[in-house]
Amino acid sequence: DTAVSQTPKYLVTQMGNDKSIKCEQNLGHDTMYWYKQDSKKFLKIMFSYNNKELIINETVPNRFSPKSPDKAHLNLHINSLELGDSAVYFCASSQLPGRQETQYFGPGTRLLVL
Amino acid sequence: AQSVTQLGSHVSVSEGALVLLRCNYSSSVPPYLFWYVQYPNQGLQLLLKYTTGATLVKGINGFEAEFKKSETSFHLTKPSAHMSDAAEYFCAVTYQGGKLIFGQGTELSVKP
Repeated sequence: DTAVSQTPKYLVTQMGNDKSIKCEQNLGHDTMYWYKQDSKKFLKIMFSYNNKELIINETVPNRFSPKSPDKAHLNLHINSLELGDSAVYFCASSQLPGRQETQYFGPGTRLLVL
Repeated sequence: AQSVTQLGSHVSVSEGALVLLRCNYSSSVPPYLFWYVQYPNQGLQLLLKYTTGATLVKGINGFEAEFKKSETSFHLTKPSAHMSDAAEYFCAVTYQGGKLIFGQGTELSVKP
């Protein structure tokens, strides 16, 4: 009964490959997010969807493409992977896209690009 | 624009000692402030948050934080550290759309 789940937990791949990370939440929330945590543990938002609509799109290479098939799912597809994409990617969700809302985080997907 | 600065990338305390993790913020609107904890190889968990109202906020695991507008601070404290408190702690402020802007993080070590 995990609230926010991500698959896979670990992903090791070669440069140039295309990969996807999946996220699902069972909290009934309307809003979902993708964050990237780099090797120095710095966290930065990448995207946010509210009710399947993109509302936050940070300065991210267009090799990254989020997709939200429904309110409970937010996937992240990465094309032509580069060494610099190695990081931990966290999915999160909140009831609404408000500044006062608590965001609930998934366990993370550790991506290593060789 | 919103930003957060955490003073000290690493803090070490003895078990039973006071924990103080510092956070200062910059915000062009009344801030909503959060502290999250990240245990090794895990996701982030909310410790506490300040939105409006009482400036002293109590959270889980005995942590609390005080919002001080005059000092633009939101420092996290715990009277007595436990070994299980060893983790990475992140202060954050939210922006439009719920965008969380994080500080650099503070790694807390607890010595027996």
